[in-house]
Amino acid sequence: GAGVSQSPSNKVTEKGKDVELRCDPISGHTALYWYRQSLGQGLEFLIYFQGNSAPDKSGLPSDRFSAERTGGSVSTLTIQRTQQEDSAVYLCASSSQQGAHETQYFGPGTRLLVL
Amino acid sequence: SQQGEEDPQALSIQEGENATMNCSYKTSINNLQWYRQNSGRGLVHLILIRSNEREKHSGRLRVTLDTSKKSSSLLITASRAADTASYFCAPRGTNAGKSTFGDGTTLTVKP
Repeated sequence: GAGVSQSPSNKVTEKGKDVELRCDPISGHTALYWYRQSLGQGLEFLIYFQGNSAPDKSGLPSDRFSAERTGGSVSTLTIQRTQQEDSAVYLCASSSQQGAHETQYFGPGTRLLVL
Repeated sequence: SQQGEEDPQALSIQEGENATMNCSYKTSINNLQWYRQNSGRGLVHLILIRSNEREKHSGRLRVTLDTSKKSSSLLITASRAADTASYFCAPRGTNAGKSTFGDGTTLTVKP
C-alpha cells in the first residue's frame, strides 16, 4: 500500500498558537519515529514509539512538545505555545522492527513556520 | 541506541568524479545502513551492509565496512548532478532499539 504520509505538508502559524502534526505510518509497522530538521541541519530525534511499550521521549526539547500514537497506528505530534525556533521540517518514519534489520521509511515531512 | 557520525560535513565535486563519504560509530553492530535525503524531504534507504560483509555494491554505490575500526564508507562513482543530496549512515546493533541519525554529509555535484 501507500508509504508514510504526513499532514499538513506545510503549516504557518503565529507565535503562541498550538499546532498538531499528523503521521500515518505504513500499515503493520510497529515502530514510529518523529524527527525535527532545521534548515541546513541534521536530523534531531524527538520521540520513538515501539508497539505497546512506553514511548522514548528523550529527544523532546521541552514540555511544550508531546506526541501520541493511538491504536498503535496514527501518531500526532503537538507543539503548544509555538515559538519561532520551532520552525523546522518535522519528519515521521515508521519501521517493521525486526531485530537489527530495521529500515526506516520516511514521510515527506511537515514544514512548520512560526511567525 | 546507535548513532553514526558522518564525515565530511560537506563535499563538493564535479560531475563524473567519485564521491566518498565516511561513517564512524561506537557500539558493536549487526548491520549498517546508508540513507539519502533530497532537499529537506524524507530519507530514502539506499543500502544495507551486514557486519560479516566487508564490501557491497549497488549500481554506482559501493559500501565498505571495517568493524575493527568501527567505520564505513560510501562511494558514489561517476557522480551526477542528481546525486546532490545529504547522506546519512545508521548503524544497527544486535539489540532492537531506536536507531537515530547524525548530521549527515551534504554532497553537491556540479554539472
